[in-house]
Order: sequence, then structure tokens, then C-alpha cells
Amino acid sequence: NAGVTQTPKFRVLKTGQSMTLLCAQDMNHEYMYWYRQDPGMGLRLIHYSVGEGTTAKGEVPDGYNVSRLKKQNFLLGLESAAPSQTSVYFCASSRLGAQMNTEAFFGQGTRLTVV
Amino acid sequence: KQEVTQIPAALSVPEGENLVLNCSFTDSAIYNLQWFRQDPGKGLTSLLLIQSSQREQTSGRLNASLDKSSGRSTLYIAASQPGDSATYLCAVKDDKIIFGKGTRLHILP
Repeated sequence: NAGVTQTPKFRVLKTGQSMTLLCAQDMNHEYMYWYRQDPGMGLRLIHYSVGEGTTAKGEVPDGYNVSRLKKQNFLLGLESAAPSQTSVYFCASSRLGAQMNTEAFFGQGTRLTVV
Repeated sequence: KQEVTQIPAALSVPEGENLVLNCSFTDSAIYNLQWFRQDPGKGLTSLLLIQSSQREQTSGRLNASLDKSSGRSTLYIAASQPGDSATYLCAVKDDKIIFGKGTRLHILP
């Protein structure tokens, strides 16, 4: 079982460059999430999706875009990277909220540095 | 807007002591609450999941309780060990999953 897989694991970008982070899950989960984690801040929700073709803003959406064209994949895009986006990014997935056992499963994280 | 607060932000206790970590949330309309552990530079390890209809869950030396009506959860760690040193995060789920900032726990040998 792969669970939740994030690609890449590490990346260094120059200011102004763009990139896409990929999150893939093989558990047929409806919900998927993108977070960033900065020192002392816990995990802050960037965007989330409650199903294929749907996305919604989280707590800190500015500077990021997302797409969920396939149920198993959730893409996070940075159109013009800024040093403030240096962070560790985590992806997660879970079943529908109204179902039993809605445990969230997390990827291993992507460490992004913008110079 | 859901807000999750964890108290204390940091805690140091001698090995062998029992301890309690606290988590509070502002909106009681949640599906579940989940406790995680995170070691420095690592990912999240799920410790316990409490569904909204449950009052507590236990795993080994860990016990988590949930009082949804008052917006509170506690994580009880019995007979603490140096290996328990880590950051503990709680997260509440409606459609979103919102995290607290965590409690950094240091167990003194």
C-alpha cells in the first residue's frame, strides 16, 4: 500500500519560477488537502478538495493554485515563487466526512526552498 | 471559522511522570479529532482518532478524550519515556482539517 505519495521530496526554486507539487493517493478517498508547515506554526491549510473537479480555499491560499482533475491526484501550483513560500508542504487524504473512520492520511512532505 | 488551540506550547517533565496535553476548538460541529506525533524534520504519525460520537480512545500508554460540546480534548500519556519527546498536534475535521500549533514535549531522562 502506497497510501499518500508526494512528488518531489525536495526542491530549490529561484524567486519567480513556477512549479507543481503532485499528491497521489491510492485509497479512493474523496477528500484531499494541501498544507504548509513553518516553524512554530503547526500545519496551515492552503487548499482542499471534497471530490474530483472541486477545490476550495483554506486558511492561507494566496500565491497558490490547485487542481483535482482525477480523484486520486491533487496538484499544488506556485505560479511565481517567493521566498515567503519556503516551507515544508504536506498533502493528506481522507474519506467523506459523514462516514465512519474518516482518519486522515498524510504524505511524507516536500521541503521547498525559494532563493 | 474553526480555531484550534493547544496548551501548553512546550512542556518538560521527568521520565516516568504521567502528563496531559490539552486541545480546544471553537466549533463543535466536527466529524472527528485526531492526535498526531511529529519528530523533528519528519512527517506526521497518527496516534489516535476519536470519532465525534465517541468519548475516548486508548492505545497502549496513550488515552485521548473528547468532549465535543465543550470543544475540548485531552491526550494523556502514562509513564512517560524519553522516546516520547516530540511535538504533539491535534486536528479537528469537518470538511476541512484544522490543526493546532502543537505542544513540544521533552521528557527528561
